[in-house]
Amino acid sequence: ETGVTQTPRHLVMGMTNKKSLKCEQHLGHNAMYWYKQSAKKPLELMFVYNFKEQTENNSVPSRFSPECPNSSHLFLHLHTLQPEDSALYLCASGKTGGAGGETQYFGPGTRLLVL
Amino acid sequence: QKEVEQDPGPLSVPEGAIVSLNCTYSNSAFQYFMWYRQYSRKGPELLMYTYSSGNKEDGRFTAQVDKSSKYISLFIRDSQPSDSATYLCAMLYNNNDMRFGAGTRLTVKP
Repeated sequence: ETGVTQTPRHLVMGMTNKKSLKCEQHLGHNAMYWYKQSAKKPLELMFVYNFKEQTENNSVPSRFSPECPNSSHLFLHLHTLQPEDSALYLCASGKTGGAGGETQYFGPGTRLLVL
Repeated sequence: QKEVEQDPGPLSVPEGAIVSLNCTYSNSAFQYFMWYRQYSRKGPELLMYTYSSGNKEDGRFTAQVDKSSKYISLFIRDSQPSDSATYLCAMLYNNNDMRFGAGTRLTVKP
């Protein structure tokens, strides 16, 4: 396993539920990311946080709400999701602010099913 | 045109074969190139990381970058059943902005 953990690993929720995904990194990185991975599609970047500040939001619907209380923790709050939101949600962390070319390290993902 | 094109496969080879995985890209601003391996029900794990054109070798794996052709490859020698996974190419052009290929699903049969 990498130094990035995610909970829960699996989640089934109805369209009216509210749930949260949690990510924690133990690598001392200062950037964290949420990605969505759907079958046969490239990873889609959702949100980027640098030093706890959100620096990117790739036109993600407001039913997804990120929260980054510190450089080690990242949450994705979910509410009134749609069945097409069912996917693997991956958290990643990396360094930033350096010369560039910093790679990202991924957690195991949360497999989400929206009924 | 997609920024990163990767043949999704699936690709099936016998054990011991040489595997060649490829990606093409359209954005010449990409500077850093990665290959990730993703086993079923797991997150992607970084395999190889390259910056310049040329080859980089790590054990049975060789990453090749040709910036002039906007083409990258990953070669796996003496492939093993444990190499069966989905391989994702990824490219970075600033500190945060990474683009991924759709992934190639590889099966190595004993």
